[in-house]
Amino acid sequence: DGGITQSPKYLFRKEGQNVTLSCEQNLNHDAMYWYRQDPGQGLRLIYYSQIVNDFQKGDIAEGYSVSREKKESFPLTVTSAQKNPTAFYLCASSHTGLAGPSRELFFGEGSRLTVL
Amino acid sequence: DAKTTQPPSMDCAEGRAANLPCNHSTISGNEYVYWYRQIHSQGPQYIIHGLKNNETNEMASLIITEDRKSSTLILPHATLRDTAVYYCIVRVGGFQGAQKLVFGQGTRLTINP
Repeated sequence: DGGITQSPKYLFRKEGQNVTLSCEQNLNHDAMYWYRQDPGQGLRLIYYSQIVNDFQKGDIAEGYSVSREKKESFPLTVTSAQKNPTAFYLCASSHTGLAGPSRELFFGEGSRLTVL
Repeated sequence: DAKTTQPPSMDCAEGRAANLPCNHSTISGNEYVYWYRQIHSQGPQYIIHGLKNNETNEMASLIITEDRKSSTLILPHATLRDTAVYYCIVRVGGFQGAQKLVFGQGTRLTINP
């Protein structure tokens, strides 16, 4: 089945450690996104990528880094510079063209990061 | 992008129609209305979108007022599985590239047995 796979589902980290969250999609989508969600809040955009080897900062990029070396993969690294990293992280993907398939966002199941 | 206003929570009885309102009084002519929902601890799921005509699909109907300043998402026969947070989003259409949608706090819909 086509879809988006995020791993790990749950992750615990000590303060000062970097951690990388994986996101893989087999939907042949050009665009991929990372969102952060805090309890009871909406989603905030961290980074997005419209094409391989290119990515743009979202609204809350500080303390995060990404790479887009393959179309299928868009890993997110939460660095030690992120002051409050405990959150639910969601990866999404979409088409980018004007015509053809719908450009709705497809989301993964999320990764819950807890900093101890 | 235009700002949206939604009630923080709503209740609906199972089997009845759930009508979720959204105000977007500053919407401009090229902005679409999108609806997504998020079941607890899962990723959001696309429901429907529209520009000015009413839309219907297998999940829901979207009614947009003639002046486009508000819309209503209708779940015709709500089930317990429709309990979720529903997000109304307004976004410019007609361009290529990434869909940078802004998800506010949405409406928490509870379907009661």
